Amino acid sequence: LAKTTQPISMDSYEGQEVNITCSHNNIATNDYITWYQQFPSQGPRFIIQGYKTKVTNEVASLFIPADRKSSTLSLPRVSLSDTAVYYCLVRDNAGNMLTFGGGTRLMVKP
Amino acid sequence: KAGVTQTPRYLIKTRGQQVTLSCSPISGHRSVSWYQQTPGQGLQFLFEYFSETQRNKGNFPGRFSGRQFSNSRSEMNVSTLELGDSALYLCASTTGYTEAFFGQGTRLTVV
Repeated sequence: LAKTTQPISMDSYEGQEVNITCSHNNIATNDYITWYQQFPSQGPRFIIQGYKTKVTNEVASLFIPADRKSSTLSLPRVSLSDTAVYYCLVRDNAGNMLTFGGGTRLMVKP
Repeated sequence: KAGVTQTPRYLIKTRGQQVTLSCSPISGHRSVSWYQQTPGQGLQFLFEYFSETQRNKGNFPGRFSGRQFSNSRSEMNVSTLELGDSALYLCASTTGYTEAFFGQGTRLTVV
């Protein structure tokens, strides 16, 4: 089964750029890579989605290399309210299952 | 536009009982997927439905089942509950081709 891995935790300071990388070696050929943010006691909230190269929206950028075996979520100038757990979600090419990474707990300090 | 609605929000059951959780997707969304979230295992995929058909199933025992109705609403059922089934159960809906939107979840406690 596909293994989707992320760093368990990261610390940052307000105003810094944060990059979180997800490794997904067995990603399905034709599916997107999606990143979510989750606060305690809430469902995951969509941040950004991409298929290849680079995608940017008003809150984040997503970098995907040509082989698509990893992706990097970039959060520019984080604030205290960005303290949350961040998940990548991909569909693996084995059983076609949707697989979340283990989540990265981001702590933003003043 | 209303979001994904899951009911109930909280539930307490005893071992051996069965439980049914409900998910109403965003209007127009035909795909619903279910996930179990626990501190130890993270977010794990249960199953995915599209237009009333189960499209995929995760690695869970047969005690976990689901279905989707013609109006895209979905239910999941867990029979013979075990203590380890205590978790936050999340439902997500999508058109099938776009990002998934999650509900607030149902927190199930098995005692």
